[in-house]
Amino acid sequence: DVKVTQSSRYLVKRTGEKVFLECVQDMDHENMFWYRQDPGLGLRLIYFSYDVKMKEKGDIPEGYSVSREKKERFSLILESASTNQTSMYLCASSFRGPGTEAFFGQGTRLTVV
Amino acid sequence: QKEVEQDPGPLSVPEGAIVSLNCTYSNSAFQYFMWYRQYSRKGPELLMYTYSSGNKEDGRFTAQVDKSSKYISLFIRDSQPSDSATYLCAMRPYSGAGSYQLTFGKGTKLSVIP
Repeated sequence: DVKVTQSSRYLVKRTGEKVFLECVQDMDHENMFWYRQDPGLGLRLIYFSYDVKMKEKGDIPEGYSVSREKKERFSLILESASTNQTSMYLCASSFRGPGTEAFFGQGTRLTVV
Repeated sequence: QKEVEQDPGPLSVPEGAIVSLNCTYSNSAFQYFMWYRQYSRKGPELLMYTYSSGNKEDGRFTAQVDKSSKYISLFIRDSQPSDSATYLCAMRPYSGAGSYQLTFGKGTKLSVIP
């Protein structure tokens, strides 16, 4: 069964903290993605990675960085959390080939206070 | 013009009704079309996946793609309260720029009333 696992369902962090969101997939997918989802704005791509140690900026990379040291793991880092980064964060993965669908994790609801 | 337009609803229907959910898009390079279902406070799950134009049926769900009109639809027959969720359309080109990633609609929130 396809599985994308995010390390936390709910997180509460203080402004200025460094925050790590972890995602692991067990499908040997080359591509991994981080999105945030906000009411009225839909899903917005933060970063994606098409291979180990490779990363590409998405639509809203400011304030975020990522790390992909192993094929199965993709981490999202908030260098200095701010209240406007309160959101639902979703990790996804897919094979590299054309037309392959993406599979999502269960999401991490992050609140920055 | 946004690349993918989807009416956010909310859409409320009685149990047993036929539901029609739609997206329009502007990028003629899109070749792969998907529908995701997202329950409250959960991640999206893939529901239907189609390539190019045509219809695809899976149980009570039918996905249609009309590339000439740049219009895709998801039909739900005999709708059930368990179908209450937000439905997201997503699409991607076959190759080239942007082929790694999906472009999503903002989602339509559906409620099926018993």
